[in-house]
Amino acid sequence: DAKTTQPTSMDCAEGRAANLPCNHSTISGNEYVYWYRQIHSQGPQYIIHGLKNNETNEMASLIITEDRKSSTLILPHATLRDTAVYYCRHTGTASKLTFGTGTRLQVTL
Amino acid sequence: DTGVSQDPRHKITKRGQNVTFRCDPISEHNRLYWYRQTLGQGPEFLTYFQNEAQLEKSRLLSDRFSAERPKGSFSTLEIQRTEQGDSAMYLCASSLAGKGPYGYTFGSGTRLTVV
Repeated sequence: DAKTTQPTSMDCAEGRAANLPCNHSTISGNEYVYWYRQIHSQGPQYIIHGLKNNETNEMASLIITEDRKSSTLILPHATLRDTAVYYCRHTGTASKLTFGTGTRLQVTL
Repeated sequence: DTGVSQDPRHKITKRGQNVTFRCDPISEHNRLYWYRQTLGQGPEFLTYFQNEAQLEKSRLLSDRFSAERPKGSFSTLEIQRTEQGDSAMYLCASSLAGKGPYGYTFGSGTRLTVV
């Protein structure tokens, strides 16, 4: 799969929405965007994935631009427990999972 | 099912010693993956199994590394003649084939320190 570009770190106040951007300008038409996060000392955890349409689940919302070259993960009401490294990648359905260096989100009081 | 289990959680070993880690996946998952993660980096793929067959190995998996999944259930990762550069978190994950890269469940990892 191809690489993505994410900010190295972000801060967010507790209770506010956290908006994490990701650029994936080389995404192919059949590739999904997917997000995982890793809380300190734990394994990565699946958050959400999408192809073209915006997606929402109990954890987050994923907004994908019309040209699919970028996306934003939204945590609507961030809590301290959302402090983690967030990974954005894109790949086809048959591919293995890979990670970059991600965005370190710090949620503060 | 309590998820993916890894044992031990921590291992300290002297350089040159052999170490073995175990991973118990979610019982109905037929794929099992090993990753390595060093400080400040995302996890890096090492190898994966579908049932008992090892289908892919990364270039990171040197000759000193060997992984097995003898009965298609649990897996072991052995590192022979450990080096300080092997110090890392070793993560195991499992999934169902065909679910793509979104249905992975990771364990909490084994942290290896080579002194």
